[in-house]
Amino acid sequence: GNSVTQMEGPVTLSEEAFLTINCTYTATGYPSLFWYVQYPGEGLQLLLKATKADDKGSNKGFEATYRKETTSFHLEKGSVQVSDSAVYFCALSDPGDSGGSNYKLTFGKGTLLTVNP
Amino acid sequence: KAGVTQTPRYLIKTRGQQVTLSCSPISGHRSVSWYQQTPGQGLQFLFEYFSETQRNKGNFPGRFSGRQFSNSRSEMNVSTLELGDSALYLCASSLSGGRKETQYFGPGTRLLVL
Repeated sequence: GNSVTQMEGPVTLSEEAFLTINCTYTATGYPSLFWYVQYPGEGLQLLLKATKADDKGSNKGFEATYRKETTSFHLEKGSVQVSDSAVYFCALSDPGDSGGSNYKLTFGKGTLLTVNP
Repeated sequence: KAGVTQTPRYLIKTRGQQVTLSCSPISGHRSVSWYQQTPGQGLQFLFEYFSETQRNKGNFPGRFSGRQFSNSRSEMNVSTLELGDSALYLCASSLSGGRKETQYFGPGTRLLVL
């Protein structure tokens, strides 16, 4: 079945450091790819997404490019802030066993990011 | 526009009991999905509803069930609770559950089974 593999961390960085969180996927067809973020005690928030190959998603200084040739969707940010401390999840849209037009999200295990001042 | 709301936010039950969780999607969204989040298994898909019909189901035992009402609100039920059911249960809504659509998540219901 479809799956997502992401570096599990934890990742600890100093403020203003460069961030990369690796994400690779296995999928049939052409899934959409997502990065979600979860702050302590909260649900998931969409950070960015890309719906086809070579698309770049971006939001709040974060970027990720849908690379079909390497089946990757790595998350990057040039200068992290303390407020970026959270758990980051890579996910893909997956038709599942239904094979229909409805899609579920298949998630990676999540990466805990801590940014120190 | 109001986001996805879930009630209750916290719940404590004992083994053998049953529990019902509620989810109200974003207005206009007709697809509602449920996910279970645990430290060991991560985020796992439970099921998805659209127009009161279950269209997709994850690999969970029959003790986990759900339904959707005509106003798109959804409930999930867990019967005969086990200790391993302790988790954060997240509800997500989207317009129709399509491949490119964003699923918007609620804050979750944290269930503790003693």
